[in-house]
Amino acid sequence: GAGVSQSPSNKVTEKGKDVELRCDPISGHTALYWYRQSLGQGLEFLIYFQGNSAPDKSGLPSDRFSAERTGGSVSTLTIQRTQQEDSAVYLCASSPTFYEQYFGPGTRLTVT
Amino acid sequence: QQQVKQSPQSLIVQKGGIPIINCAYENTAFDYFPWYQQFPGKGPALLIAIRPDVSEKKEGRFTISFNKSAKQFSLHIMDSQPGDSATYFCAARFRDSNYQLIWGAGTKLIIKP
Repeated sequence: GAGVSQSPSNKVTEKGKDVELRCDPISGHTALYWYRQSLGQGLEFLIYFQGNSAPDKSGLPSDRFSAERTGGSVSTLTIQRTQQEDSAVYLCASSPTFYEQYFGPGTRLTVT
Repeated sequence: QQQVKQSPQSLIVQKGGIPIINCAYENTAFDYFPWYQQFPGKGPALLIAIRPDVSEKKEGRFTISFNKSAKQFSLHIMDSQPGDSATYFCAARFRDSNYQLIWGAGTKLIIKP
């Protein structure tokens, strides 16, 4: 079946512009996670959605970052007024349970 | 206390050797310990996982050893192959916080032919 998909795969933007990153989770998965991965680094948790519960936003690095999940499915991560330090790969994962997370291929964001 | 410390940061092993990657934790509220494998340009994928009531788990050439008293767990790759070259992440599930995964920093493994 189809895995987690993310779009765009690559995004180059100018400093100060807003960007939207999209994640299509595996159908039926109730949990959805966003992570950030800087070059050669580990995974930095950003935000977590579980069903209809309020999202866990504890990992968002600043108020320039926000995310929503519509209809319990597709999620959009928005970064406003992008900065060069926002350059990274943004990974989305979904999960049917509290165990395995299935990752998408990521969106590579470059802020120039 | 929510950290998972992973070592080494990088590792080079000859083909056929047994690379060992170690992780340590402090918090006893962790109740599930997965290992993920990530190839360049891809997202991480679950490789193998263990719960704390088991001391060892094998899946193919991959083995997790778990030492509950020492709060340590490790990944062993038997008969390593160049195709195993990837970045490996350990993680621990924190049951007291929405079952979040706390991630190690990753180990870049290179298997030389």
